[in-house]
Amino acid sequence: QKEVEQDPGPLSVPEGAIVSLNCTYSNSAFQYFMWYRQYSRKGPELLMYTYSSGNKEDGRFTAQVDKSSKYISLFIRDSQPSDSATYLCAMSAENAGNNRKLIWGLGTSLAVNP
Amino acid sequence: DTGVSQDPRHKITKRGQNVTFRCDPISEHNRLYWYRQTLGQGPEFLTYFQNEAQLEKSRLLSDRFSAERPKGSFSTLEIQRTEQGDSAMYLCASSPPSGWGDEQYFGPGTRLTVT
Repeated sequence: QKEVEQDPGPLSVPEGAIVSLNCTYSNSAFQYFMWYRQYSRKGPELLMYTYSSGNKEDGRFTAQVDKSSKYISLFIRDSQPSDSATYLCAMSAENAGNNRKLIWGLGTSLAVNP
Repeated sequence: DTGVSQDPRHKITKRGQNVTFRCDPISEHNRLYWYRQTLGQGPEFLTYFQNEAQLEKSRLLSDRFSAERPKGSFSTLEIQRTEQGDSAMYLCASSPPSGWGDEQYFGPGTRLTVT
């Protein structure tokens, strides 16, 4: 079993839809949770960062962490064609020397259709 | 532009040749990471520096791979005697000192093709 599971999709939605992206994980030591957006042949771009449990909102994006269920979500409201990309979840634990090496999901490919 | 930069963006090399990649982190970021990503996969951790010290190296990294971060600023990743299986995107990320935040910011990556 992989430490982080993420449905690779693809996910196709109409413009304006609410998108829900999810990851599950098995390592209860994970404390730092991130969502990245990656366009084709580009580096990952940090969207949301959450420490421990709870919700965080930034514009059209909301990140949720449920540590009891080992489940994280990213919601995108009023989705736009420019949101079409691969969305990767990543998480880390506190390791020696403040190493926060990220453990990643496979990424979910999202297409927002005009 | 004050983001993470990587050079070159693309590298095509023949099997058996050595290659070296460079990463310039965001200034004041003392933590630096190298990851490798293949198509359809999430990035895989390769190695981690705090300032100039290499504190962790993945078991995925064979002896052909070496990384340095002299003076705790830019970093280089060298692959000796490249193999076709080394073809991937090599990503560098930097992070501020612990206590300032733990977010990792990525560069555009270096895409390596070994023929």
